[in-house]
Amino acid sequence: GAVVSQHPSWVICKSGTSVKIECRSLDFQATTMFWYRQFPKQSLMLMATSNEGSKATYEQGVEKDKFLINHASLTLSTLTVTSAHPEDSSFYICSARDPGVLRTDTQYFGPGTRLTVL
Amino acid sequence: GENVEQHPSTLSVQEGDSAVIKCTYSDSASNYFPWYKQELGKRPQLIIDIRSNVGEKKDQRIAVTLNKTAKHFSLHITETQPEDSAVYFCAASMGGSYIPTFGRGTSLIVHP
Repeated sequence: GAVVSQHPSWVICKSGTSVKIECRSLDFQATTMFWYRQFPKQSLMLMATSNEGSKATYEQGVEKDKFLINHASLTLSTLTVTSAHPEDSSFYICSARDPGVLRTDTQYFGPGTRLTVL
Repeated sequence: GENVEQHPSTLSVQEGDSAVIKCTYSDSASNYFPWYKQELGKRPQLIIDIRSNVGEKKDQRIAVTLNKTAKHFSLHITETQPEDSAVYFCAASMGGSYIPTFGRGTSLIVHP
């Protein structure tokens, strides 16, 4: 099946710094990737849809200047948490669909990035 | 938009028992219903899915049923094992949108 990787798997940073998280599709090209945020014991909250070569589409309530998304190629999307604060601490997960197969609805998730802001 | 309700939030069973998780959705246009299993600290993984043209699908100990009229679908796990312990998420996707709406998750605990 399709493989999605994420880097780093965990990061600890100081308040006020920026953190970049990478999401890669390893064996397929993804024109669209999704970024989710997950709090402990809670569901996946869609933050934004990342479109290759165009601006990301953000969900209501998600600050686009806070969470910068860049989908520079068909295999890489990045999420940058700018001026991070402790309330940004969370588990961030990306996902992608493989358009090369018939079942294009199937989403493949990355392993997630645990962000802790001190 | 789509709204997905999932019950129960926690389910505790003895090894060997069956487990059933139920979800309802609001938009009749939804036509794809995947189920994901997420172990602690790991990524959600697709375990089974069903499309609106099918009423039931089975894969070994796991089955999913869909009632389009009532707009609900369920995950059935038979002969549960401790390694089935995880959080399970249902989701519904509207045709043409491809962005699934997730339920709140069910924490399944299988006691040996």
